Amino acid sequence: DAGVTQSPTHLIKTRGQHVTLRCSPISGHKSVSWYQQVLGQGPQFIFQYYEKEERGRGNFPDRFSARQFPNYSSELNVNALLLGDSALYLCASSLDGGGTDTQYFGPGTRLTVL
Amino acid sequence: GDSVTQMEGPVTLSEEAFLTINCTYTATGYPSLFWYVQYPGEGLQLLLKATKADDKGSNKGFEATYRKETTSFHLEKGSVQVSDSAVYFCALQNPFGGYNKLIFGAGTRLAVHP
Repeated sequence: DAGVTQSPTHLIKTRGQHVTLRCSPISGHKSVSWYQQVLGQGPQFIFQYYEKEERGRGNFPDRFSARQFPNYSSELNVNALLLGDSALYLCASSLDGGGTDTQYFGPGTRLTVL
Repeated sequence: GDSVTQMEGPVTLSEEAFLTINCTYTATGYPSLFWYVQYPGEGLQLLLKATKADDKGSNKGFEATYRKETTSFHLEKGSVQVSDSAVYFCALQNPFGGYNKLIFGAGTRLAVHP
């Protein structure tokens, strides 16, 4: 079975632009979460979605938004990019997003903001 | 708030040496505990998990025991291989709030040489 897939693999943007990252969960998983991993640090939680509804949000500015589609895939959008948004963006899927559910990660999208 | 502390790296070992990577946590209630591994240029792979006190997670020769009395979840392997070279992340997931936000430590880089 296919794991979590993310696209694109790499992306280069300039300050002020916006970006859309995409994620497809493992088949049968209904919840998707997004994490930001800055170089040399552990991942930081951005959002969790379940059945198209936002279930949780981390400490990120409103420039970050996301949505989940009926097929459970998800998009992460970042507006007005800053240099500090350069990071690896990881998507994780889980069965129902409950507090004891295990999350499985995709390969990530590496975003570079110049 | 909840947090995870890992021993700082890098940890450098010879092949077949014994590995310990320390992880302690602070959390309310009864979190689930995880070890994820990240190989160069890749996303996170679930290595093992434990969901309640005294549980032992194990996979690929790695083990970790959920110790509530010492709030620890140390990762061990009896004989490391060069292919184990990677960054290891300890993480907790607290069911409070009804969603599965992972809180990660900063990661410990392991380098194994022949």
